[in-house]
Amino acid sequence: AQSVTQPDIHITVSEGASLELRCNYSYGATPYLFWYVQSPGQGLQLLLKYFSGDTLVQGIKGFEAEFKRSQSSFNLRKPSVHWSDAAEYFCAVEYGTISNFGNEKLTFGTGTRLTIIP
Amino acid sequence: DTEVTQTPKHLVMGMTNKKSLKCEQHMGHRAMYWYKQKAKKPPELMFVYSYEKLSINESVPSRFSPECPNSSLLNLHLHALQPEDSALYLCASSLRQYNQPQHFGDGTRLSIL
Repeated sequence: AQSVTQPDIHITVSEGASLELRCNYSYGATPYLFWYVQSPGQGLQLLLKYFSGDTLVQGIKGFEAEFKRSQSSFNLRKPSVHWSDAAEYFCAVEYGTISNFGNEKLTFGTGTRLTIIP
Repeated sequence: DTEVTQTPKHLVMGMTNKKSLKCEQHMGHRAMYWYKQKAKKPPELMFVYSYEKLSINESVPSRFSPECPNSSLLNLHLHALQPEDSALYLCASSLRQYNQPQHFGDGTRLSIL
Protein backbone atom coordinates (compact mmCIF):
# COMPACT_ATOMS: atom_id res chain seq x y z
CA ALA A 1 0.00 0.00 0.00
CA GLN A 2 1.15 3.48 -0.73
CA SER A 3 2.41 5.49 2.23
CA VAL A 4 4.04 8.78 3.03
CA THR A 5 6.37 9.54 5.91
CA GLN A 6 7.00 12.97 7.33
CA PRO A 7 9.66 12.35 9.98
CA ASP A 8 9.38 15.74 11.67
CA ILE A 9 6.22 16.28 13.71
CA HIS A 10 7.13 19.84 14.69
CA ILE A 11 9.77 22.26 13.42
CA THR A 12 10.60 25.70 14.81
CA VAL A 13 12.41 28.19 12.61
CA SER A 14 13.39 31.81 13.07
CA GLU A 15 11.83 34.32 10.75
CA GLY A 16 14.10 34.89 7.78
CA ALA A 17 15.84 31.55 8.16
CA SER A 18 15.74 28.80 5.55
CA LEU A 19 13.39 25.85 5.81
CA GLU A 20 13.38 22.24 4.70
CA LEU A 21 10.53 19.85 5.43
CA ARG A 22 11.15 16.20 4.75
CA CYS A 23 8.90 13.76 2.95
CA ASN A 24 9.51 10.14 1.96
CA TYR A 25 7.07 8.02 -0.03
CA SER A 26 6.75 4.30 -0.48
CA TYR A 27 8.03 2.84 -3.70
CA GLY A 28 5.79 3.09 -6.70
CA ALA A 29 6.33 3.12 -10.42
CA THR A 30 4.92 6.57 -11.06
CA PRO A 31 4.34 8.63 -7.92
CA TYR A 32 2.49 11.88 -8.17
CA LEU A 33 3.56 14.07 -5.28
CA PHE A 34 2.02 17.08 -3.62
CA TRP A 35 2.61 19.49 -0.79
CA TYR A 36 -0.41 21.09 0.87
CA VAL A 37 -0.50 23.70 3.64
CA GLN A 38 -3.23 24.08 6.23
CA SER A 39 -3.64 27.10 8.47
CA PRO A 40 -5.62 26.64 11.70
CA GLY A 41 -9.32 26.16 11.03
CA GLN A 42 -8.81 26.23 7.27
CA GLY A 43 -8.87 23.78 4.42
CA LEU A 44 -5.84 22.56 2.50
CA GLN A 45 -4.11 24.79 -0.03
CA LEU A 46 -1.93 23.27 -2.74
CA LEU A 47 1.64 24.58 -2.60
CA LEU A 48 3.08 22.57 -5.47
CA LYS A 49 2.85 19.30 -7.36
CA TYR A 50 5.12 16.91 -9.21
CA PHE A 51 3.90 14.66 -11.99
CA SER A 52 6.90 14.36 -14.30
CA GLY A 53 9.70 16.32 -15.91
CA ASP A 54 11.98 18.71 -14.09
CA THR A 55 12.61 17.30 -10.63
CA LEU A 56 12.85 20.76 -9.05
CA VAL A 57 9.34 22.12 -8.77
CA GLN A 58 8.41 25.71 -8.02
CA GLY A 59 5.26 26.49 -6.10
CA ILE A 60 3.35 29.36 -4.61
CA LYS A 61 4.52 31.57 -1.75
CA GLY A 62 8.20 31.06 -2.63
CA PHE A 63 8.24 27.32 -1.92
CA GLU A 64 10.03 24.71 -3.99
CA ALA A 65 10.45 20.95 -3.75
CA GLU A 66 12.86 18.47 -5.25
CA PHE A 67 11.89 14.97 -6.34
CA LYS A 68 14.65 12.42 -5.78
CA ARG A 69 13.61 9.01 -7.04
CA SER A 70 16.76 7.31 -5.72
CA GLN A 71 15.92 8.46 -2.20
CA SER A 72 12.11 8.23 -2.54
CA SER A 73 11.97 11.78 -1.26
CA PHE A 74 10.14 14.98 -2.06
CA ASN A 75 11.43 17.58 0.38
CA LEU A 76 9.94 21.06 0.58
CA ARG A 77 12.19 24.10 0.87
CA LYS A 78 11.98 27.83 1.29
CA PRO A 79 15.03 30.11 1.43
CA SER A 80 13.57 32.62 3.89
CA VAL A 81 10.45 32.00 5.97
CA HIS A 82 7.89 34.62 6.96
CA TRP A 83 5.73 34.63 10.09
CA SER A 84 2.72 33.92 7.88
CA ASP A 85 4.24 30.55 6.91
CA ALA A 86 3.37 29.13 10.33
CA ALA A 87 0.95 26.30 9.58
CA GLU A 88 0.63 22.53 9.17
CA TYR A 89 2.27 21.08 6.07
CA PHE A 90 1.17 17.82 4.49
CA CYS A 91 2.99 15.80 1.87
CA ALA A 92 0.77 13.53 -0.23
CA VAL A 93 1.21 10.86 -2.89
CA GLU A 94 -0.97 9.34 -5.56
CA TYR A 95 -0.08 6.65 -8.10
CA GLY A 96 -1.22 6.24 -11.67
CA THR A 97 -0.30 6.48 -15.32
CA ILE A 98 -0.95 9.15 -17.90
CA SER A 99 -3.38 6.95 -19.77
CA ASN A 100 -5.10 5.64 -16.71
CA PHE A 101 -5.11 8.57 -14.34
CA GLY A 102 -7.79 8.44 -11.75
CA ASN A 103 -6.48 6.31 -8.94
CA GLU A 104 -8.15 8.97 -6.86
CA LYS A 105 -6.66 7.85 -3.57
CA LEU A 106 -4.52 10.62 -2.24
CA THR A 107 -2.49 9.39 0.72
CA PHE A 108 -1.28 11.99 3.19
CA GLY A 109 1.66 12.01 5.52
CA THR A 110 1.06 12.75 9.18
CA GLY A 111 2.00 16.39 8.74
CA THR A 112 4.68 18.74 10.04
CA ARG A 113 3.69 21.68 12.19
CA LEU A 114 5.82 24.74 11.48
CA THR A 115 6.31 27.40 14.15
CA ILE A 116 8.04 30.68 13.32
CA ILE A 117 9.81 32.64 16.04
CA PRO A 118 10.72 36.33 15.70
CA ASP B 1 -10.48 32.49 -1.92
CA THR B 2 -11.19 28.81 -2.23
CA GLU B 3 -13.07 27.68 -5.34
CA VAL B 4 -14.69 24.80 -3.47
CA THR B 5 -17.41 26.15 -1.20
CA GLN B 6 -18.59 24.25 1.85
CA THR B 7 -21.59 25.07 4.01
CA PRO B 8 -22.13 25.41 6.85
CA LYS B 9 -18.74 26.36 8.27
CA HIS B 10 -19.71 25.12 11.72
CA LEU B 11 -22.39 22.64 12.80
CA VAL B 12 -23.38 21.45 16.24
CA MET B 13 -25.86 18.61 16.41
CA GLY B 14 -27.22 16.05 18.81
CA MET B 15 -26.83 12.34 18.29
CA THR B 16 -30.45 11.95 17.19
CA ASN B 17 -30.46 14.81 14.69
CA LYS B 18 -30.37 14.63 10.92
CA LYS B 19 -28.32 17.24 9.11
CA SER B 20 -26.51 17.66 5.81
CA LEU B 21 -23.20 19.12 4.72
CA LYS B 22 -23.00 20.76 1.33
CA CYS B 23 -20.14 21.22 -1.10
CA GLU B 24 -20.21 23.12 -4.37
CA GLN B 25 -17.70 23.78 -7.14
CA HIS B 26 -18.06 25.49 -10.50
CA MET B 27 -14.70 24.59 -12.03
CA GLY B 28 -16.08 21.84 -14.24
CA HIS B 29 -14.43 19.19 -12.10
CA ARG B 30 -15.78 15.66 -12.55
CA ALA B 31 -14.52 14.06 -9.36
CA MET B 32 -15.56 15.10 -5.87
CA TYR B 33 -14.36 13.80 -2.53
CA TRP B 34 -15.27 13.78 1.16
CA TYR B 35 -12.53 13.62 3.77
CA LYS B 36 -12.68 13.48 7.55
CA GLN B 37 -9.93 15.17 9.55
CA LYS B 38 -9.50 14.77 13.29
CA ALA B 39 -7.43 17.28 15.24
CA LYS B 40 -3.69 17.06 14.59
CA LYS B 41 -4.21 14.28 12.03
CA PRO B 42 -4.10 14.16 8.23
CA PRO B 43 -7.31 14.01 6.21
CA GLU B 44 -8.77 10.54 5.73
CA LEU B 45 -10.67 9.73 2.56
CA MET B 46 -14.32 8.79 3.03
CA PHE B 47 -15.98 8.84 -0.38
CA VAL B 48 -15.16 9.58 -4.02
CA TYR B 49 -17.66 10.45 -6.71
CA SER B 50 -16.47 10.23 -10.29
CA TYR B 51 -18.78 11.53 -13.02
CA GLU B 52 -21.56 11.67 -10.42
CA LYS B 53 -21.24 7.99 -9.52
CA LEU B 54 -19.88 6.70 -6.24
CA SER B 55 -16.54 5.12 -7.07
CA ILE B 56 -14.90 4.73 -3.66
CA ASN B 57 -16.42 4.15 -0.23
CA GLU B 58 -13.72 3.68 2.36
CA SER B 59 -15.86 1.45 4.61
CA VAL B 60 -17.58 4.44 6.13
CA PRO B 61 -20.42 3.74 8.64
CA SER B 62 -23.90 3.99 7.17
CA ARG B 63 -24.74 6.94 9.41
CA PHE B 64 -22.84 8.94 6.76
CA SER B 65 -24.68 8.99 3.45
CA PRO B 66 -23.17 10.80 0.45
CA GLU B 67 -25.12 12.17 -2.47
CA CYS B 68 -24.05 13.77 -5.73
CA PRO B 69 -27.14 15.38 -7.33
CA ASN B 70 -25.11 16.89 -10.20
CA SER B 71 -21.54 17.46 -11.26
CA SER B 72 -21.21 20.66 -9.23
CA LEU B 73 -22.77 19.58 -5.97
CA LEU B 74 -21.89 17.05 -3.30
CA ASN B 75 -23.82 16.44 -0.10
CA LEU B 76 -23.07 14.43 3.00
CA HIS B 77 -26.17 13.42 4.95
CA LEU B 78 -25.67 12.79 8.64
CA HIS B 79 -27.90 10.77 10.94
CA ALA B 80 -27.46 9.30 14.41
CA LEU B 81 -23.84 10.38 14.67
CA GLN B 82 -21.59 9.54 17.59
CA PRO B 83 -19.35 11.90 19.59
CA GLU B 84 -16.29 10.41 17.89
CA ASP B 85 -17.63 11.72 14.59
CA SER B 86 -16.78 15.25 15.69
CA ALA B 87 -14.17 16.45 13.20
CA LEU B 88 -13.44 18.77 10.31
CA TYR B 89 -15.12 17.48 7.15
CA LEU B 90 -13.35 18.52 3.98
CA CYS B 91 -14.65 18.44 0.47
CA ALA B 92 -12.36 18.39 -2.56
CA SER B 93 -12.74 18.25 -6.31
CA SER B 94 -10.53 17.52 -9.30
CA LEU B 95 -10.60 17.28 -13.07
CA ARG B 96 -9.64 13.63 -12.72
CA GLN B 97 -6.95 14.11 -15.34
CA TYR B 98 -3.22 13.75 -15.44
CA ASN B 99 -1.40 16.70 -13.88
CA GLN B 100 -4.53 17.98 -12.16
CA PRO B 101 -4.52 18.00 -8.36
CA GLN B 102 -7.37 18.00 -5.90
CA HIS B 103 -8.67 21.36 -4.71
CA PHE B 104 -10.01 21.57 -1.17
CA GLY B 105 -12.69 23.62 0.49
CA ASP B 106 -12.32 25.21 3.92
CA GLY B 107 -14.30 22.46 5.59
CA THR B 108 -17.22 22.13 7.97
CA ARG B 109 -16.35 21.89 11.66
CA LEU B 110 -18.80 19.35 13.09
CA SER B 111 -19.43 18.89 16.80
CA ILE B 112 -21.65 16.09 18.12
CA LEU B 113 -23.16 16.64 21.54
